[in-house]
Amino acid sequence: NAGVTQTPKFQVLKTGQSMTLQCAQDMNHEYMSWYRQDPGMGLRLIHYSVGAGITDQGEVPNGYNVSRSTTEDFPLRLLSAAPSQTSVYFCASAPGAEETQYFGPGTRLLVL
Amino acid sequence: RKEVEQDPGPFNVPEGATVAFNCTYSNSASQSFFWYRQDCRKEPKLLMSVYSSGNEDGRFTAQLNRASQYISLLIRDSKLSDSATYLCVVSNDYKLSFGAGTTVTVRA
Repeated sequence: NAGVTQTPKFQVLKTGQSMTLQCAQDMNHEYMSWYRQDPGMGLRLIHYSVGAGITDQGEVPNGYNVSRSTTEDFPLRLLSAAPSQTSVYFCASAPGAEETQYFGPGTRLLVL
Repeated sequence: RKEVEQDPGPFNVPEGATVAFNCTYSNSASQSFFWYRQDCRKEPKLLMSVYSSGNEDGRFTAQLNRASQYISLLIRDSKLSDSATYLCVVSNDYKLSFGAGTTVTVRA
């Protein structure tokens, strides 16, 4: 049981490049979410999903896309990276939004 | 106004001391409340859920005051291993809002 896995652990991008942050869970959780964490700020919700085929925007969705084609996977896509997207990104999963969230180890992204 | 606000600290306490801190939230319709712990540059992990009647888990006690819209966490008999950032989390309509965290450092 691996829990929540995220790849890559670290990434450096140039402005304008695109990339996908991968997130997978093996706990059969319906609820998955993406957050970014910046210094001095709490985790901010980017997008979330309450089940396969269903996604919705969080607090800071601009510049990010998500899809949920399977229960296990919830990738986050940056279409055209900007320096303002330099951050630590955490993926989380849970049976539901009101229940214990299990976080992945995070992806540290630097956009130059 | 931020949805969840916390005193950032740091709270620097000796081993064995009691430390307490609060978090306030702005949305009176918020449904669920939690404390998470985050160690430096690591992922957050659930410390405890917070129930309306208040609840205790070992040395940790959490209280919820819906009328004043705040949540508290008290740590008794602090251990070195309690040094961490404590995140207040509030849930409403499938969305979780996190406070920026309160840093606690326990010294020997």
